[in-house]
Amino acid sequence: KAGVTQTPRYLIKTRGQQVTLSCSPISGHRSVSWYQQTPGQGLQFLFEYFSETQRNKGNFPGRFSGRQFSNSRSEMNVSTLELGDSALYLCASSLAGVGLATYSTIQETQYFGPGTRLLVL
Amino acid sequence: AQSVAQPEDQVNVAEGNPLTVKCTYSVSGNPYLFWYVQYPNRGLQFLLKYITGDNLVKGSYGFEAEFNKSQTSFHLKKPSALVSDSALYFCAVRDPHASGGSYIPTFGRGTSLIVHP
Repeated sequence: KAGVTQTPRYLIKTRGQQVTLSCSPISGHRSVSWYQQTPGQGLQFLFEYFSETQRNKGNFPGRFSGRQFSNSRSEMNVSTLELGDSALYLCASSLAGVGLATYSTIQETQYFGPGTRLLVL
Repeated sequence: AQSVAQPEDQVNVAEGNPLTVKCTYSVSGNPYLFWYVQYPNRGLQFLLKYITGDNLVKGSYGFEAEFNKSQTSFHLKKPSALVSDSALYFCAVRDPHASGGSYIPTFGRGTSLIVHP
């Protein structure tokens, strides 16, 4: 079974531009989460989509948005890029349930893609 | 609210020696705990998890972790370190009783493990 794939792997943009990142989850996984990883802040949760609906959202400005398609593929968009947006953006997929407080061990585990490294100049 | 702490930014160990990477957590109830490893220029790879049951959890690549409820810790261990174990290790916690059913884990800042030949 193929793992989580992310495209592109590397990206260079300039301030003020916008960027779209793509994530294809493991086949059968309906949940996709996005994380930003930087040396200073570590791994920070952006948002999570399940069945085309945003279910959870982290503490990021509205310039960061996302969506999920019917095939569970997800895109993340960042508008009006700032220098501080330079980071490794990671996508993770999992089976996950809907609105459950507890999950089976199979549903719980997140599997990460290789990431997209974004550099904003 | 849930939180996790990895008190060491870096751990150095000689090849063949046992290694420990520390993690402590805070949740309101019984936690779900995870360890991930990240190699340079790669995404995170799942190592092991604790949901319930035996306090000693065995995972991939010979790693294991011990859940200690009284000390709220979930330290990662390996009996004999390899140079190839050198990587960044992340501990994560999720509170299964979080409001709204949120299952998004909180990650620690990461610990860089360096295994010397």
